Amino acid sequence: DAGVTQSPTHLIKTRGQHVTLRCSPISGHKSVSWYQQVLGQGPQFIFQYYEKEERGRGNFPDRFSARQFPNYSSELNVNALLLGDSALYLCASSYPGGNEQFFGPGTRLTVL
Amino acid sequence: GESVGLHLPTLSVQEGDNSIINCAYSNSASDYFIWYKQESGKGPQFIIDIRSNMDKRQGQRVTVLLNKTVKHLSLQIAATQPGDSAVYFCAERAGGTSYGKLTFGQGTILTVHP
Repeated sequence: DAGVTQSPTHLIKTRGQHVTLRCSPISGHKSVSWYQQVLGQGPQFIFQYYEKEERGRGNFPDRFSARQFPNYSSELNVNALLLGDSALYLCASSYPGGNEQFFGPGTRLTVL
Repeated sequence: GESVGLHLPTLSVQEGDNSIINCAYSNSASDYFIWYKQESGKGPQFIIDIRSNMDKRQGQRVTVLLNKTVKHLSLQIAATQPGDSAVYFCAERAGGTSYGKLTFGQGTILTVHP
């Protein structure tokens, strides 16, 4: 079975641009969470979506937004990119009511 | 506020030795704890988890210990192998309205020498 997939793998943007990152959860998983991992640190929670509704939000500015589609895939959008947004963006999915979150390989975003 | 931290950022061991990675947490409301392994260029991989109503859980070559009195979590890896070399993160979940949110520590780099 396929695990969590994310696209693109790598992305280079310039300051002020916007970016859209995509995530497909494991089949049967209805919850998707997004995390930002800056080099040398642990992942930081950004959003959780379940059944297309936002169920949790971390301490990130409004430039960060997300949505979940009827097929449970998800997009993370970041507007007005800053240099500090350079990071590995991770998506994780879980079963309804499940504890374990399964992570994808991440999208490496570089902002120049 | 919530925080999860690690005592040692790096750990070097010889192949075959046992490894112990430690983690301190501060949120007494956390009900679930997980250890993840992250290899270079990959996402975190689940190793083992433990609920707050337990103090020990064993898996294949790994054991997690939870001491709620001092808010301490540890991961023990038996007979460490070169393939165990990676960054290890502990994470906690606060439960309640923060059900889906995991708070990660900074990570420990484990290096296993052949």
